Amino acid sequence: EIVLTQSPATLSLSPGERATLSCRASQSISRYLAWYQQKPGQAPRLLIYDASNRATGIPARFSGSGSGTDFTLTISSLEPEDFAVYYCQQRSSWPLTFGGGTKVEIK
Amino acid sequence: QVQLVESGGGVVQPGGSLRLSCTASGFTFTTYGMHWVRQAPGRGLEWVAFILFDGSNEYYVDSVKGRFTISRDNSKNTLYLQMNSLRVDDTAVYYCAKVSDWGPYFDSWGQGALVTVSS
Repeated sequence: EIVLTQSPATLSLSPGERATLSCRASQSISRYLAWYQQKPGQAPRLLIYDASNRATGIPARFSGSGSGTDFTLTISSLEPEDFAVYYCQQRSSWPLTFGGGTKVEIK
Repeated sequence: QVQLVESGGGVVQPGGSLRLSCTASGFTFTTYGMHWVRQAPGRGLEWVAFILFDGSNEYYVDSVKGRFTISRDNSKNTLYLQMNSLRVDDTAVYYCAKVSDWGPYFDSWGQGALVTVSS
């Protein structure tokens, strides 16, 4: 099973600041990584797939990068609606696995 | 517009059974694989099971193998999760999710069904 480790667990930032979230895989997953956003009481929403492709309707302030074992989700300038929990997920091999999440909270 | 609506959640005793349903609309259900993903209270996401578009193959996380069965009825646009021998640690919100056009990611989700396993 591929283990995904996200860091930091919590990121305290102000609106307008840049957020950088990390996801590290226990073995190479090529570019087969997605990022999701989840707000309290809601289902997750797909943001990024295959490491760097924005899903339909996702604003350009969200970008993804990385390959192999190290991946990054960047939010260039935080909007109030971006404060949420973010998860990475790999599709390189079964079982599909998620990281433990990074909470982006208002400072 | 894709819609996924789960039903069938509830409270069940350890060792009991429950069947979740997910009714799909707004897309061609018969051409997409489908997943179940769960989230224990206050915890992260855990993928549970996947079924191919035609039901010809299934995958499960180890912790539910032999206890849970994913299935689908393409004539009814409905996905199922039969859960047997339920344990306390199966307590979670269960989401059905549609496979994306770019591989087995989850591009649309239902609102979730809460399953509580408790004596």
